[in-house]
Amino acid sequence: GNSVTQMEGPVTLSEEAFLTINCTYTATGYPSLFWYVQYPGEGLQLLLKATKADDKGSNKGFEATYRKETTSFHLEKGSVQVSDSAVYFCALAQGGSEKLVFGKGTKLTVNP
Amino acid sequence: DVKVTQSSRYLVKRTGEKVFLECVQDMDHENMFWYRQDPGLGLRLIYFSYDVKMKEKGDIPEGYSVSREKKERFSLILESASTNQTSMYLCASRTGGENSPLHFGNGTRLTVT
Repeated sequence: GNSVTQMEGPVTLSEEAFLTINCTYTATGYPSLFWYVQYPGEGLQLLLKATKADDKGSNKGFEATYRKETTSFHLEKGSVQVSDSAVYFCALAQGGSEKLVFGKGTKLTVNP
Repeated sequence: DVKVTQSSRYLVKRTGEKVFLECVQDMDHENMFWYRQDPGLGLRLIYFSYDVKMKEKGDIPEGYSVSREKKERFSLILESASTNQTSMYLCASRTGGENSPLHFGNGTRLTVT
């Protein structure tokens, strides 16, 4: 079945450091891929998405590129801020199913 | 903006009580979902609904039921609450199609004592 694997956290960085959170997936066909962010005490919010191979999703300085050859959708940001501290979830959706499949989440803490 | 509203942010209930968690969305989405979120386990799907009065079991439906009498409202019911149902519960909705994202509510933190 479909699955998403993301790097285990927690990840702790200093402000202005470079961020990568790895995400790989298993799916048949061509799923859509998403990154969600959950700030403390809140629900999940869509951060970015990509719907086909080589698409790059971007938002708030975050980027992720849909790589079909490596079945990956790694999240990157060039310079993190304290306000980026949150839990990040990678997810996929596939035609024929209304359900999204989520990774377990990666907690990011950014220190000043 | 899509708004998904969960009726309570925090709930404390006793073992054996019947518990209702309510969720309302304002974007006419066909699909609605209930997840629970626990440390180290990520999000686990309890139930989802793809239309009024339609429901399907998710990955962990045991001990839960749902109701969808109107398109905008999706209720999660714990028939007899137990301490292992202490968790964060997240409601979400989306329209159909694989490209459409999920929109989440802010969650209900349920404690069963």
